[in-house]
Amino acid sequence: GNSVTQMEGPVTLSEEAFLTINCTYTATGYPSLFWYVQYPGEGLQLLLKATKADDKGSNKGFEATYRKETTSFHLEKGSVQVSDSAVYFCALILTGANNLFFGTGTRLTVIP
Amino acid sequence: DVKVTQSSRYLVKRTGEKVFLECVQDMDHENMFWYRQDPGLGLRLIYFSYDVKMKEKGDIPEGYSVSREKKERFSLILESASTNQTSMYLCATNPSGPDTQYFGPGTRLTVL
Repeated sequence: GNSVTQMEGPVTLSEEAFLTINCTYTATGYPSLFWYVQYPGEGLQLLLKATKADDKGSNKGFEATYRKETTSFHLEKGSVQVSDSAVYFCALILTGANNLFFGTGTRLTVIP
Repeated sequence: DVKVTQSSRYLVKRTGEKVFLECVQDMDHENMFWYRQDPGLGLRLIYFSYDVKMKEKGDIPEGYSVSREKKERFSLILESASTNQTSMYLCATNPSGPDTQYFGPGTRLTVL
């Protein structure tokens, strides 16, 4: 089947620390991969995406590389800020499909 | 910018009531989705629609129905609300095909 597994939170970091949130996937076809972010009290919004192997998505200092050999799409940021505190969701969609498969989400809290 | 609006941010209903959650998008997108979000479970797809009057079941359709009479509006209906339907409900939309989904702000429903 199709599924996404991401590291369990919560994750608490100090400002300017390095962030990694692990995400691995299982897919029956060739997926596109996404990271969505949900800030407190808001809906989800797209953070970055990659549509094929070895693609790197990047946005707002975050980046993730589509690794087909390890079926992974880990999210990284070199120096987090308090404003990055949010819940992060990894997701996939199969070529030709309409619906996303989401991971369970990882809550990140950044303290000053 | 894509705008997805949901009729209520917070809703409190009693067991057995019929509940309507409305979602409206302004970008002429073909696809619309209803998810519920629960802690530790991530987002789970309830129903989606790929055209007016068309609908498909997602992963957890039991206890829900949907209506799409106009392209811009997708309604989620709880025929007889139960306490286990207390959750955050998120609407999303995208153009046809496997592409980025745009989310509304969510409706937090409490069933007493």
